[in-house]
Amino acid sequence: GESVGLHLPTLSVQEGDNSIINCAYSNSASDYFIWYKQESGKGPQFIIDIRSNMDKRQGQRVTVLLNKTVKHLSLQIAATQPGDSAVYFCAETLSGNTGKLIFGQGTTLQVK
Amino acid sequence: DVKVTQSSRYLVKRTGEKVFLECVQDMDHENMFWYRQDPGLGLRLIYFSYDVKMKEKGDIPEGYSVSREKKERFSLILESASTNQTSMYLCASSSTWTHTDTQYFGPGTRLTVL
Repeated sequence: GESVGLHLPTLSVQEGDNSIINCAYSNSASDYFIWYKQESGKGPQFIIDIRSNMDKRQGQRVTVLLNKTVKHLSLQIAATQPGDSAVYFCAETLSGNTGKLIFGQGTTLQVK
Repeated sequence: DVKVTQSSRYLVKRTGEKVFLECVQDMDHENMFWYRQDPGLGLRLIYFSYDVKMKEKGDIPEGYSVSREKKERFSLILESASTNQTSMYLCASSSTWTHTDTQYFGPGTRLTVL
């Protein structure tokens, strides 16, 4: 069945270091992937997305990498700041799925 | 900016009560969604709606119903609340039916059923 998972439930990094949050997915038909950030007491907030015809996409301080061969997605945050402390979710969907997202369980990023 | 609002941030109800959770979006979005979020289980889709008066079951619809009488408003109804429905409820909306449209989330309602 479909599943989206994150490798680590918690990641601790020093302020100023780069963070890498990983996600594995199992449905090779998924063609659209999203990263969300959820701060304490708030709803998930869109960070960045990537389509399956790309392997890299950059935003402001964030980069998403997609490796379709091993069905792996990662979120890289450059120069991590205290405000980056949150739970990060990856989600996948596929054409014909009418906008229905499948979420991973989340990785908590702690910035020391 | 897209704004999705939910009627309550915190709600405490008793077992057997009928509970209404309201969600409003101000961007004329076609799609609206209700999720629940539980530790270790992530976000799970309860119901979604792609048009006024239209609804589709998500992954865990049992014990819930929804109503969409107006485009901007999507209500989640717990007909007879039970303790296992204690959870964080998140509403989201997206522009169209296209699967690549971003879902925007509200702040959530933390419901406790005693």
